[in-house]
Amino acid sequence: AQRVTQPEKLLSVFKGAPVELKCNYSYSGSPELFWYVQYSRQRLQLLLRHISRESIKGFTADLNKGETSFHLKKPFAQEEDSAMYYCALSGRGNAGNMLTFGGGTRLMVKP
Amino acid sequence: EAQVTQNPRYLITVTGKKLTVTCSQNMNHEYMSWYRQDPGLGLRQIYYSMNVEVTDKGDVPEGYKVSRKEKRNFPLILESPSPNQTSLYFCASSLDRGQYYGYTFGSGTRLTVV
Repeated sequence: AQRVTQPEKLLSVFKGAPVELKCNYSYSGSPELFWYVQYSRQRLQLLLRHISRESIKGFTADLNKGETSFHLKKPFAQEEDSAMYYCALSGRGNAGNMLTFGGGTRLMVKP
Repeated sequence: EAQVTQNPRYLITVTGKKLTVTCSQNMNHEYMSWYRQDPGLGLRQIYYSMNVEVTDKGDVPEGYKVSRKEKRNFPLILESPSPNQTSLYFCASSLDRGQYYGYTFGSGTRLTVV
């Protein structure tokens, strides 16, 4: 079974402070991991994926297979980063893909 | 515009009255999926489909049905809705099971069952 855990439901930081949103996973195969973001009153959208090793809006995430983690980081938080963040893992079910989400972390960036 | 369209956006219904939430995508995606979003539980997958006539259960399929007769449509059917199915529902689609391109999500359907 695959599982994604985001231990923090709420993370509150001041503008300019570093941010780290934690994500741990459980999966027997080789994982494909993602971060999705949901801004207020908007639909969920893909933020970044580990396979591309990209930096989006200043955010990065490194897959650590030893610690089974995929934490999302940003060195200097901005107020517009306030949103709900979901870590997700793509595995393989009977008919193909299953994308499993963590419980989400609400990031609040205070001025 | 490439998008996933869900209807209706809001729905209030009574226990036991069958309903269908429609989902349509115009991107020729093979993979489609339904999720429900509940406070504190995040998004949980209900059903997914990797192509026409190919569907499989997600984490919380009880009380739901789906069909995939055409590539673009993936309706979610509640044969006999109950109050515990009150939730925010999202449909999503992907070109490649989300491995590289990720999923494109619809705007959501807020369902209340009384």
